Amino acid sequence: EADIYQTPRYLVIGTGKKITLECSQTMGHDKMYWYQQDPGMELHLIHYSYGVNSTEKGDLSSESTVSRIRTEHFPLTLESARPSHTSQYLCASSREDTQYFGPGTRLTVL
Amino acid sequence: GENVEQHPSTLSVQEGDSAVIKCTYSDSASNYFPWYKQELGKRPQLIIDIRSNVGEKKDQRIAVTLNKTAKHFSLHITETQPEDSAVYFCAASINSGYALNFGKGTSLLVTP
Repeated sequence: EADIYQTPRYLVIGTGKKITLECSQTMGHDKMYWYQQDPGMELHLIHYSYGVNSTEKGDLSSESTVSRIRTEHFPLTLESARPSHTSQYLCASSREDTQYFGPGTRLTVL
Repeated sequence: GENVEQHPSTLSVQEGDSAVIKCTYSDSASNYFPWYKQELGKRPQLIIDIRSNVGEKKDQRIAVTLNKTAKHFSLHITETQPEDSAVYFCAASINSGYALNFGKGTSLLVTP
């Protein structure tokens, strides 16, 4: 079934650790996005990509990086996790403008 | 980035009443305006969207209106049901691209 997958679903780590959040989609979409969302609150755009080897920064990008080596895969890396990174991270993809979201990764940094 | 303002932040209605949520945007190049519903612990789900060449769109109990001159758009839910209770987010495309800026959300409660 075509969907968007995120792993891990839950992660608890210590301050200073490097982490990578995985996002894969089998929707056949070219465009992929990362958002940060505290529960029930606004979604903040972190990074996005319109295709392989193409990435752009959103408003919240300064402490993370992304790569787009394969169409279906768009991982997000935090080089040094901090308690302020505690949040939910949502991945999305689209063929054109309609975005579909993954289930999210809930990150807690101690 | 460009702002999307959303009002109200909370809305409580009785079952069967109508609910209206309003958004304004500042980027005159925005041309795509989706609405998402997010239930507790779930991912956002698209419920309706509108593009800049259309003024109104309806899908059963849900409708969206767009006023490009005034840079505002609204979600209308008629005959509300308890299962409509959720957080609703509006969004606007950044420039005329595919990335989105989201509003802060409206928590809708429909009481039986």
